[in-house]
Amino acid sequence: QKEVEQNSGPLSVPEGAIASLNCTYSDRVSQSFFWYRQYSGKSPELIMSIYSNGDKEDGRFTAQLNKASQYVSLLIRDSQPSDSATYLCAVYNSGNTPLVFGKGTRLSVIA
Amino acid sequence: GAGVSQSPSNKVTEKGKDVELRCDPISGHTALYWYRQSLGQGLEFLIYFQGNSAPDKSGLPSDRFSAERTGGSVSTLTIQRTQQEDSAVYLCASSLAAGPYSNQPQHFGDGTRLSIL
Repeated sequence: QKEVEQNSGPLSVPEGAIASLNCTYSDRVSQSFFWYRQYSGKSPELIMSIYSNGDKEDGRFTAQLNKASQYVSLLIRDSQPSDSATYLCAVYNSGNTPLVFGKGTRLSVIA
Repeated sequence: GAGVSQSPSNKVTEKGKDVELRCDPISGHTALYWYRQSLGQGLEFLIYFQGNSAPDKSGLPSDRFSAERTGGSVSTLTIQRTQQEDSAVYLCASSLAAGPYSNQPQHFGDGTRLSIL
């Protein structure tokens, strides 16, 4: 079973701090990686994608990928209470299969 | 443009009844996925359609669940003889293509909240 693992949290950070969310995956040939944000009672929305080793920045969000260590992370700078949500890591494994989702990390940004 | 559309947004029905949930994917998206999410839980993959290929039904929890996709567009998820444990949010997603080399993310609809009394 090829899996995607995340700490369930909750991860609590003060407003203005950097939130760091981590994800590990088991399929070493995985190629595509995505972060989704899911507010309570809402559906997941795509916030970042990353395909190559290194960092990818988009506004306050930075995705980091290390294929050798099989982890992907999401940094949220200057965290705001509106960032409080569950963050889902998703990975395309090898083969013609759909995205595999982690169970998500719940982030709470305290004002 | 229009996103993934699901209907109904809410469905309440009695145990033992059949229900049909509808998903209209983003225009041009060849891949369509159904997931289930129980309260406070992660996404549970149910079934996946890719173009004209046979669907991947590996996630369907029982033979009471079935899905079809007509004309490569709209999909219907049917649950027969509903049970209380079927209560959940049913999410549909679509993507431009599928598989690891497509690099295409999935885009979700707002879901159908199903409650079995």
